[in-house]
Amino acid sequence: GAVVSQHPSWVICKSGTSVKIECRSLDFQATTMFWYRQFPKQSLMLMATSNEGSKATYEQGVEKDKFLINHASLTLSTLTVTSAHPEDSSFYICSGTGAANTGELFFGEGSRLTVL
Amino acid sequence: GENVEQHPSTLSVQEGDSAVIKCTYSDSASNYFPWYKQELGKGPQLIIDIRSNVGEKKDQRIAVTLNKTAKHFSLHITETQPEDSAVYFCAARSMGGKLTFGQGTILTVHP
Repeated sequence: GAVVSQHPSWVICKSGTSVKIECRSLDFQATTMFWYRQFPKQSLMLMATSNEGSKATYEQGVEKDKFLINHASLTLSTLTVTSAHPEDSSFYICSGTGAANTGELFFGEGSRLTVL
Repeated sequence: GENVEQHPSTLSVQEGDSAVIKCTYSDSASNYFPWYKQELGKGPQLIIDIRSNVGEKKDQRIAVTLNKTAKHFSLHITETQPEDSAVYFCAARSMGGKLTFGQGTILTVHP
């Protein structure tokens, strides 16, 4: 399957700082990227959907000013957690697809965020 | 929106036995049903998928069945091996492209 590279794989930061997570599609053009959050022993919860060149669409309950998503190119999307707090500690996973309604969804390896 | 229910939450089998995980979905317009395997600390890995125009699909030891009328689909793993131990998630994709996941099943295969 196609490869989605996510970086960093883990990050520890102090409360109040901002953290950026990058998601790159290495061998396909991801017209749509999805960002998920996964708490321990729980399922993946969709945070937002982004199409290249457009503003992201956020799921209900997800603060768009706190979780900034940029999808400036067909191979790169970024998630910035602004003013992070301990409750933001989670596993963040991105996924990309070339066709949102028909294509397979390929996941990155995830980024473990720990906010102290 | 779409709602996906997955059972069982945990499944323990002996090596060589079969494992079956079942999911139901609510949105009759959902058209794509992938299954993912997630190992500790890693992202989900697609293991098999099925589209709404197909009733069954098989790939070596793994098979998936889909009953559109009843809105349920199942994952079947035969001849299980210890390396099959992981968390398995089903998912359903609705017309907007959004993928909704089940709650996950922790599969443990005992040698």
